[in-house]
Amino acid sequence: DQQVKQNSPSLSVQEGRISILNCDYTNSMFDYFLWYKKYPAEGPTFLISISSIKDKNEDGRFTVFLNKSAKHLSLHIVPSQPGDSAVYFCAASGRANDYKLSFGAGTTVTVRA
Amino acid sequence: KAGVTQTPRYLIKTRGQQVTLSCSPISGHRSVSWYQQTPGQGLQFLFEYFSETQRNKGNFPGRFSGRQFSNSRSEMNVSTLELGDSALYLCASSYDGMKNTEAFFGQGTRLTVV
Repeated sequence: DQQVKQNSPSLSVQEGRISILNCDYTNSMFDYFLWYKKYPAEGPTFLISISSIKDKNEDGRFTVFLNKSAKHLSLHIVPSQPGDSAVYFCAASGRANDYKLSFGAGTTVTVRA
Repeated sequence: KAGVTQTPRYLIKTRGQQVTLSCSPISGHRSVSWYQQTPGQGLQFLFEYFSETQRNKGNFPGRFSGRQFSNSRSEMNVSTLELGDSALYLCASSYDGMKNTEAFFGQGTRLTVV
């Protein structure tokens, strides 16, 4: 059962514009959310995270928004750069499974010059 | 410092065989997690080890097993391989495996079952 869903398999955006990636979850026990970025032939690398006690976390060009009532989070990348072209995974963890991350299927972002 | 090392990088096995994958975590990290990545499925959690003990296990059949050694290196074993086991197997290490502790992934082992 896919508890974390990324319904958009791909996203194409022009360099300099905003990229918005969406993620939905079904498990109300999740209280910590993360975004990972993956280039081909490399392992995922941590990008940004947010705890359920917050609704926004910002790190440079990356901002994650959490809407607990809608069980929805999004990642905003502003401005998008060619080096941002990668697969982005949303992940979640919760009180019942501290040592386990549940991942979405990923969204492939392509930044056009 | 050295990152997470997974060996081998690529493997081709025949149905029914077994395979062992290895993961060397970052020095000082005591938690190692394993994930299976298949197209369209994202990363599926297999299991997590901390100080040689399995603390959590995903929904995979008993053919998938693992262990961790005293130096924190971990191995994952898949017995009686099936075509559907073809995937990228990733391991991640972190200091304590807690959700708010950053996990670092290796490059993965690409397993192909023919």
